[in-house]
Amino acid sequence: IQLTQSPSSLSASVGDRVTITCRASQDIASSFAWYQQKPGQAPKLLIYEASTLQSGVPSRFSGSGSGTDFTLTISGLQPEDFATYYCQQLYNYFFTFGPGTKVDIK
Amino acid sequence: QVQLQQWGAGLLKPSETLSLTCGIFGRSFSHYYWTWIRQSPEKGLEWIGEVNHLGDTNYNPSLKSRVTVSLDTSKTQCSLKLSSVTAADTAVYYCARALLGYCGSSTCPVGLDVWGKGTTVTVSS
Repeated sequence: IQLTQSPSSLSASVGDRVTITCRASQDIASSFAWYQQKPGQAPKLLIYEASTLQSGVPSRFSGSGSGTDFTLTISGLQPEDFATYYCQQLYNYFFTFGPGTKVDIK
Repeated sequence: QVQLQQWGAGLLKPSETLSLTCGIFGRSFSHYYWTWIRQSPEKGLEWIGEVNHLGDTNYNPSLKSRVTVSLDTSKTQCSLKLSSVTAADTAVYYCARALLGYCGSSTCPVGLDVWGKGTTVTVSS
């Protein structure tokens, strides 16, 4: 199953609402996760099962979608949110990741 | 709180076997899937394979002929072996714990909630 993310990069300001989308090449129901990765660090789980917020993740992060189209929204971008965001499908083995969306400072 | 600590050789020659270990510290490692992922600029994040506490494994088909993921329950360690490495295997390798959710009458991975810090592996002659 292939995942495509858009945009591949974006520039935003602190306080902005940011939306990242991920499209799967086939129906994956809600078997879907979002991760945040900062330079030199491992990815961090933000959202699983398409819309469930991982424990300890700020509520400004939210996920939606099912089937083939998924969205990660950051409501009120904070300085610590500038990072690369990846999606992952966990519907069919083997699990695959999207190519990433880099969010940087405008 | 579970922590994962990785170790293993970081520089290999072509045709050698990559061997990495992930120490699982903290709460019980039972009833989870333990996963290996790698990341390179060329391929991005690539899921390698996983093992559960029963020893059941799943692998990326593109690597299946060369990879072994295993769990040592007595040492609470998860290991990755990748044989016959080439320059294309150069990457940062991560171990991670898979959070489980319900899939019908069984459980299945729903996300990778705990990660090791990563090990940089370079394959060069």
